[in-house]
Amino acid sequence: AQSVTQPDIHITVSEGASLELRCNYSYGATPYLFWYVQSPGQGLQLLLKYFSGDTLVQGIKGFEAEFKRSQSSFNLRKPSVHWSDAAEYFCAVGGYNKLIFGAGTRLAVHP
Amino acid sequence: EAGVTQFPSHSVIEKGQTVTLRCDPISGHDNLYWYRRVMGKEIKFLLHFVKESKQDESGMPNNRFLAERTGGTYSTLKVQPAELEDSGVYFCASSQRNEQYFGPGTRLTVT
Repeated sequence: AQSVTQPDIHITVSEGASLELRCNYSYGATPYLFWYVQSPGQGLQLLLKYFSGDTLVQGIKGFEAEFKRSQSSFNLRKPSVHWSDAAEYFCAVGGYNKLIFGAGTRLAVHP
Repeated sequence: EAGVTQFPSHSVIEKGQTVTLRCDPISGHDNLYWYRRVMGKEIKFLLHFVKESKQDESGMPNNRFLAERTGGTYSTLKVQPAELEDSGVYFCASSQRNEQYFGPGTRLTVT
């Protein structure tokens, strides 16, 4: 069955600290992978995507993610977190037909 | 370029009533999707339109939900009659290819 797992429901980091949000997927074909962010009161914004090619992809707001086929993972990273990064982050797999989402990771940032 | 818009942003109705949600996709996007997030759960796919045709409606929970897409432009999602478990946030997304752009969502509360 196709699924996405985000093992961390809540994460708290200090401003300026590094961040890694985990995502594992189960998908029959070569996946298209996405990270979305939802800030309070906002819709889902696409942070970055992986379709093919270089397994390290850069996104907006200083985020990057690395696709590791052997581990079925697509973890999101940021070297230095800003207070404005506090939001909920969703990993998703799929593409043209539909997206399958993980449960989301809520990020809190301490000053 | 205008993004995906949804109306209303918030709706509160009583059990048994009818509610209609509207989504206006990004101009020129043939693909339109509906998703739902029930409190504390994953964002779940409901259905996919290609222009005015339903490509995949496998995620529609039951026949109380009816989606239409008039002339391949905007879409409506009607819930009739609404039940308590229909409460949640309903997201609409549109795409031209494999990258979906989401609206801000409609928060539906059934009391």
